[in-house]
Amino acid sequence: DGGITQSPKYLFRKEGQNVTLSCEQNLNHDAMYWYRQDPGQGLRLIYYSQIVNDFQKGDIAEGYSVSREKKESFPLTVTSAQKNPTAFYLCASSIDGREAFFGQGTRLTVV
Amino acid sequence: KQEVTQIPAALSVPEGENLVLNCSFTDSAIYNLQWFRQDPGKGLTSLLLIQSSQREQTSGRLNASLDKSSGRSTLYIAASQPGDSATYLCAVVGNTPLVFGKGTRLSVIA
Repeated sequence: DGGITQSPKYLFRKEGQNVTLSCEQNLNHDAMYWYRQDPGQGLRLIYYSQIVNDFQKGDIAEGYSVSREKKESFPLTVTSAQKNPTAFYLCASSIDGREAFFGQGTRLTVV
Repeated sequence: KQEVTQIPAALSVPEGENLVLNCSFTDSAIYNLQWFRQDPGKGLTSLLLIQSSQREQTSGRLNASLDKSSGRSTLYIAASQPGDSATYLCAVVGNTPLVFGKGTRLSVIA
């Protein structure tokens, strides 16, 4: 079945630790996106990539990093510079800004 | 900068009612508008996509309309059911990736 797979579903991070969230798609989509969702805030764009080996910052990129070495994969690293990382993270993909499809999300909690 | 607003923030209706969710956006230069459903703790499920050249799209009991000139879209849900209870989000694509509203939380009471 085609779709977007995010892992893990739940992730716990200690203070000062970097963690990486995985996002894989088998839809053959060129564009991939990372969003952060906080209660009452809606979804905010962190990073997006329209093609392999290229990506752009979204509205809240500080404290995050990404890579796009393969078309299918767009991992997000939450670095120690992100002071408030507890949130629900959603990955999406689309063909050139058309209909977007989302994964099931990763809930990150700082412990 | 594109801004998307959804009204109301929350809505509670008895089962069987028809209802309308509203979405407005500030920049009419959009490529498309997409409606999503989100269940608690889950990802987003795409419901309907309306391209900028279209006026409406229908899927089952759902009908979405788009008026680019006024910067508005509505999602009409016919004969609501308890299983429709969820948060509904609209998002627009223009020169930037999807910009989301904060959603409408719908509760359908049996």
